[in-house]
Parts: sequence; structure tokens; C-alpha cells
Amino acid sequence: SQTIHQWPATLVQPVGSPLSLECTVEGTSNPNLYWYRQAAGRGLQLLFYSVGIGQISSEVPQNLSASRPQDRQFILSSKKLLLSDSGFYLCAWLGGETQYFGPGTRLLVL
Amino acid sequence: AQSVTQPDIHITVSEGASLELRCNYSYGATPYLFWYVQSPGQGLQLLLKYFSGDTLVQGIKGFEAEFKRSQSSFNLRKPSVHWSDAAEYFCAVARNYGQNFVFGPGTRLSVLP
Repeated sequence: SQTIHQWPATLVQPVGSPLSLECTVEGTSNPNLYWYRQAAGRGLQLLFYSVGIGQISSEVPQNLSASRPQDRQFILSSKKLLLSDSGFYLCAWLGGETQYFGPGTRLLVL
Repeated sequence: AQSVTQPDIHITVSEGASLELRCNYSYGATPYLFWYVQSPGQGLQLLLKYFSGDTLVQGIKGFEAEFKRSQSSFNLRKPSVHWSDAAEYFCAVARNYGQNFVFGPGTRLSVLP
């Protein structure tokens, strides 16, 4: 069966520091992968999606970037975090016509 | 452009009462429709989905949803709510065979003992 992992689970970072969040999927090959952000009490905002290694599409211009160095690995990065980057970050993979979500990473920027 | 509305931001029901969460969508073609549930601090869990066929779909945890094309709705129902159902519920519509999802803003469900 397929499993999706995200780490870290929680992260507290100062403004201006770099960021790296990782998402990996097991049990499937070359899935479409997605990064969403959920601000406190808000809905889901699609940030990036990838249909394959090295292929990234950005939905929202911002100081975040994404990379897909391996088939089942999706990384969300930033060179300098802003206060507004705080939120809950969710990774998802596409299985058939359904998106399945990871457990999420809570990021607090101080 | 497609969109999803969930008219109720917050709903409170008593344990054992019935529940209906509303979802309306705007989409030009036959949609793929989904309901997800999110407990606090957790990821989203798929409750049920509709692609085609029988317009009444059954999901996990005793939930069901009915697709009504004429009303562009996909409302979620449960005959008897349990305290553990307290969570945030998201409706979503997908296009391009699931590659692009649009989520509604969510409905927060509180359950009174």
C-alpha cells in the first residue's frame, strides 16, 4: 500500500532563516505531487505541483520554491522566511483521480 | 473557472443528531467530487468521492453524499453524529482527471455532548 511521509512534523524558525520541508511517498512510482499551505483557520492554498522529476509548476508567486530531486521526493524550500510563511504545510500525491494527503508540517515563523 | 462554496463556516450539532454539510460547485463539465475530513493538527483524510454512476455514494465512518447535477451540489450527510466527528470538512472538485483540485473553504463541525 501507499504511504506518504512529511518531516519535520513541527518547526519553529526565525524570520530570515532558510527552510526545507520534505515529503516522500512509498508504494508508488512517479506520482503527481502537490504542496499546499493552510493558514490558521483557512482553507487550502495550492503552492506547487510536480508531474515528474525536475518538473515543477508554481501556482502562487512567493518566496518559496519547490524541487523534485527523486521520483518520490518533493521538497519545499525558502532562502529567507517571512512571518507570513507561518502555517500548516500539506503534501499530497495523486492516486488514480484522487489526492491523498500526508500528516502535514506545522511551521511557526517568529 | 471552477469554484467550490461551502455556505456554512461553522455548524454545531448534538451527539446523535443528523448532519448535513452543504457543498456547491461551479464547473463546466462532469466533475469529480470529494469530501475530506481534517482533525486538528492532522492531514486530510478522504471520506468519499464521486466520479460517475450512482449519485448517492457511501464513504467511511458512516458518511454519505448525494450528487445533484441540477443543483450543482454534493452535500455530505450522516444520520447520527458521534463526538469523534468534530473536525473540519472540506469539499473539493477536480479537473483534468484529478490533477488539479479546487477546495472549498471548509466547514467546522462542533458536536455537543
